[in-house]
Amino acid sequence: DAGITQSPRHKVTETGTPVTLRCHQTENHRYMYWYRQDPGHGLRLIHYSYGVKDTDKGEVSDGYSVSRSKTEDFLLTLESATSSQTSVYFCAITPGLVNTGELFFGEGSRLTVL
Amino acid sequence: SQQGEEDPQALSIQEGENATMNCSYKTSINNLQWYRQNSGRGLVHLILIRSNEREKHSGRLRVTLDTSKKSSSLLITASRAADTASYFCATDAIAGANSKLTFGKGITLSVRP
Repeated sequence: DAGITQSPRHKVTETGTPVTLRCHQTENHRYMYWYRQDPGHGLRLIHYSYGVKDTDKGEVSDGYSVSRSKTEDFLLTLESATSSQTSVYFCAITPGLVNTGELFFGEGSRLTVL
Repeated sequence: SQQGEEDPQALSIQEGENATMNCSYKTSINNLQWYRQNSGRGLVHLILIRSNEREKHSGRLRVTLDTSKKSSSLLITASRAADTASYFCATDAIAGANSKLTFGKGITLSVRP
């Protein structure tokens, strides 16, 4: 258990509304990631962070933004949700301050955009 | 785009049998990892094998890596019903600070009691 908490765990929203998913960790991990998981696509990296206010894009970043104003929180925002963003979103961390490449995942946030 | 592709997509075996899952990838890697995901849960890291390693063991798990063929296999020996899950391989092309994992689509393993 890497002390990762995702919220909300489930959310239903309508097209065009903003949505923010939160990933909270309590163990001062430096590297944090947001992935989405869809049938037939596996997991795909959206954005990642390598420190406070240091973020970068992943494979499927269009339509998403992130912020990391403090070590423990990594926020994923959908400015205007679309049905194609219906997915399960996973936050992950690499333990510690050095990127060993091994990921520990949260339990996921299931988002449905109607 | 996925780097790793697992094979088969689905596998059903009897409890006590061995399960072998394969992963192929396209470009050079720094390491390859296997993860397990139980239904409705997050992924759990199982094992990591580096590009200069050929075989690694962890309990009932055995992972091999053949960089010349760009392939890896995960063997679960003496399977149990609790091994029922999806299994993913993930590749890491870059070591260090910019390391990012690319996941395959996964293999669904069903172990019948």
